[in-house]
Amino acid sequence: SQKIEQNSEALNIQEGKTATLTCNYTNYSPAYLQWYRQDPGRGPVFLLLIRENEKEKRKERLKVTFDTTLKQSLFHITASQPADSATYLCAPRAYNTDKLIFGTGTRLQVFP
Amino acid sequence: DTAVSQTPKYLVTQMGNDKSIKCEQNLGHDTMYWYKQDSKKFLKIMFSYNNKELIINETVPNRFSPKSPDKAHLNLHINSLELGDSAVYFCASSHSAGTAEAFFGQGTRLTVV
Repeated sequence: SQKIEQNSEALNIQEGKTATLTCNYTNYSPAYLQWYRQDPGRGPVFLLLIRENEKEKRKERLKVTFDTTLKQSLFHITASQPADSATYLCAPRAYNTDKLIFGTGTRLQVFP
Repeated sequence: DTAVSQTPKYLVTQMGNDKSIKCEQNLGHDTMYWYKQDSKKFLKIMFSYNNKELIINETVPNRFSPKSPDKAHLNLHINSLELGDSAVYFCASSHSAGTAEAFFGQGTRLTVV
């Protein structure tokens, strides 16, 4: 069955460092992969997506990589800030699909 | 204007009761979803509707019945509530074509006592 796994333990890092979150998937051939952020008490919010033919995508301090051979995406936040503290969810998807399934999520805590 | 709104935000009820959660989106999307997020924070898909038609039902007990009167609304009715139904329920919507991002409501925290 399809499985999407993210670091289950919280990631604690110091302000200013780079946070790296991992998303691994099995029994899946996504055409693209989305990343979302969820704050406590709120719904997830879309951050960015990367397509299968893209190796890397950047948006401000965020960088995402996508390795379809390893079946893995890495999500980096450079120069992290306490305001980046949240849970981050990945969602590999096929094109034109009504199915949106999320990974288990990784909680990031950035300390001043 | 809120893009995806769900009501109520909090719902406390006794076991055995029937309750409904409403969801509306004003984004013109053709696909809507219901998710359940339990205490371990895993966001699990329950249902997906496209243009008022049920597309995905992820082995949800038939006590849960979604209803889509039009493509802007997807309500969730739950019969005979059980303790294990306590969770946060999220409604979401997206376009079905291309690489559509999903927009989520603020969630409904359901507590069954």
